[in-house]
Amino acid sequence: AQTVTQSQPEMSVQEAETVTLSCTYDTSESNYYLFWYKQPPSRQMILVIRQEAYKQQNATENRFSVNFQKAAKSFSLKISDSQLGDTAMYFCAPFYPTQGGSEKLVFGKGTKLTVNP
Amino acid sequence: NAGVTQTPKFQVLKTGQSMTLQCAQDMNHNSMYWYRQDPGMGLRLIYYSASEGTTDKGEVPNGYNVSRLNKREFSLRLESAAPSQTSVYFCASTRRGFGYGYTFGSGTRLTVV
Repeated sequence: AQTVTQSQPEMSVQEAETVTLSCTYDTSESNYYLFWYKQPPSRQMILVIRQEAYKQQNATENRFSVNFQKAAKSFSLKISDSQLGDTAMYFCAPFYPTQGGSEKLVFGKGTKLTVNP
Repeated sequence: NAGVTQTPKFQVLKTGQSMTLQCAQDMNHNSMYWYRQDPGMGLRLIYYSASEGTTDKGEVPNGYNVSRLNKREFSLRLESAAPSQTSVYFCASTRRGFGYGYTFGSGTRLTVV
């Protein structure tokens, strides 16, 4: 089974500070993608950042960046200059190929992040 | 810019009742998915459809059936609802082979009493 572990069920950070959310995964695939999704209280699933596993360069999207360690199967998310609007549940999700020729996201259990004023 | 549309947004069922959750996407995506989200469990895959005419089981398919009606629509049916199926259900879609991740619907909160 392809497992995803987010070891921090809950985290909090002060506004304007930096926080890192951790994620490890287990796969035998060599080509895949990795995602972080954000789910605010509105319940909507929002794509935060995407990483291609064959690229060594870490992805960056404005205040969001990742530390991708392929050999260690680690994919952490760093949020810089945290804002109140970053308060949400964050899900790590590798994107794996399936036998049917498609792909599927496998989700971790999530980290609930609270940004305090 | 409708994206992925799920209906209904909320539903309360009695144990043993049946219902169908509807999902439609207007992005010409090949693949469509149904997930359920329970507290502390993340999102778990129920069924998916790689393309029109094909469906496959995911991690938690028991108690559900699906139909890929055409390229746009992918429905999820509960034949005899049970309290254990109380959850938030998400439909999603993607263009196969591009690694773009999913576009999600807004979810359906289902309560079985």
